[in-house]
Amino acid sequence: DIVMTQSPDSLAVSLGERATINCKSSQSVLYNSNNKNYLAWYQQKPGQPPKVLIYWASTRESGVPDRFSGSGSGTDFTLTISSLQAEDVAVYYCQQYYSTPITFGPGTKVDIK
Amino acid sequence: QVQLQESGPGLVKPSETLSLTCTVSGGSISSNYWSWIRQPPGKGLEWIGYVYYTGATNYNPSLRSRVTTSVDTSKNQFSLKLSSVTAADTAMYYCARHAIAAPGTRLRHYDYWGQGILVTVSS
Repeated sequence: DIVMTQSPDSLAVSLGERATINCKSSQSVLYNSNNKNYLAWYQQKPGQPPKVLIYWASTRESGVPDRFSGSGSGTDFTLTISSLQAEDVAVYYCQQYYSTPITFGPGTKVDIK
Repeated sequence: QVQLQESGPGLVKPSETLSLTCTVSGGSISSNYWSWIRQPPGKGLEWIGYVYYTGATNYNPSLRSRVTTSVDTSKNQFSLKLSSVTAADTAMYYCARHAIAAPGTRLRHYDYWGQGILVTVSS
């Protein structure tokens, strides 16, 4: 199984400031045949299902604000919220879909400072 | 707009079988992979398994001995059965769609999720 870890477990950021979440996979999720990283980021607000923000590690889902961006390759990835808004308070999960079993990181809780 | 809706009992007794159905509307169940994911209260996400519209399946090894998924294309539904449940199976259960991928290619991320159904295992 590919184990996903995230850091930090939680963070509090002032409105308008940058939030950075890290995700690491226990093995590479880069598929050499198409040079794509099989890594997605989801946002989950209380009482709601997860919502995809980023896939292929850096492709923003349609309708997702451009303050959300993803980067990284291989085993190390980052989700950045460039200017935190009140509506961004949520838990963020990374997920690998490179191989089964599909696995998720433990989540990072983002709050307002 | 594709919508997914989970249905089934919210309370299951220990040792019995949990049975859930996901109804897909606004799109065809054909040509996609469909997953079940669960989330214990206050905890993270666990993939249970997927079913392809052809009926092909793949399960999490941690649950494989107890899980069965199936698809009914005539009803645009897919289902989950989890046997011999215990309190550890208490969770929010979500159904989700894998984004469409070209035939023969690898899985993709989840682009649509149901709202989830809370299943409690208790006598």
